[in-house]
Amino acid sequence: DQQVKQNSPSLSVQEGRISILNCDYTNSMFDYFLWYKKYPAEGPTFLISISSIKDKNEDGRFTVFLNKSAKHLSLHIVPSQPGDSAVYFCAAFGTGTASKLTFGTGTRLQVTL
Amino acid sequence: EAGVAQSPRYKIIEKRQSVAFWCNPISGHATLYWYQQILGQGPKLLIQFQNNGVVDDSQLPKDRFSAERLKGVDSTLKIQPAKLEDSAVYLCASSLGDRDREKLFFGSGTQLSVL
Repeated sequence: DQQVKQNSPSLSVQEGRISILNCDYTNSMFDYFLWYKKYPAEGPTFLISISSIKDKNEDGRFTVFLNKSAKHLSLHIVPSQPGDSAVYFCAAFGTGTASKLTFGTGTRLQVTL
Repeated sequence: EAGVAQSPRYKIIEKRQSVAFWCNPISGHATLYWYQQILGQGPKLLIQFQNNGVVDDSQLPKDRFSAERLKGVDSTLKIQPAKLEDSAVYLCASSLGDRDREKLFFGSGTQLSVL
C-alpha cells in the first residue's frame, strides 16, 4: 500500500529552466509534507517542507505547492542548476496511524547543460 | 558538527548468514531511526528509538531483525539469518526529538547485498 506516490521515476531538464517534481498521497491523516534530496552514496537531506494549513512555501529557488483537495504536492526548482541533479523524495506524516514518516519512491532529476 | 556515522559502508553476505550494522547519531539527538531502502523504493522505517526505548518497531521483521540502542547513544541493527530480499541500503537517522522530522539527519547508509 503505497501511501505516497511519485509517478515519475526520472526527469531531465535543461539548466536554467524550471524543474517540476510531483507527488500524490492517499492518507488524509497526513498534515505535514517534506522533500528530501539524495546524492549518490549519501543519505537523504532535508530540502523544504509545508504544513497542511498552507498551500505554498518558498525557500530561494525551491517552492513547494500543496493542493489538499487533490492530495497532490509539487516541488518547483527555478532556475535549475547542474548541482540540483539528484534523487528527490517526497515524504509525509501526520498524527495517529499516520505518525510514521512515509516516503515516496523518488524522482531522479537530471539537469543538463 | 559531526554527522550521523554508519559502518560498514558495504557488506556482502550469503543467505542465511548474519550481519550487523552500527550507527552513531549526532551528539545530543534523542531520537534514532533505522530505515530500509530497497532499490527503486523510498526509505521504509524499521524501528524508532527515543533515547534507549523503542517507540515504533511495527515494520521490523522481528523473526530475523533485531536492534538495540544501549545507553541511548549508539545503535546496532542485526539480521539473522539474512534472506535475498534483505538486499537494500540500511539508513540510520537521528533527530533532537520525535517531532523534529525536518531536522532528521541521515547517515550515508550501509549497502547490503545478500547472495
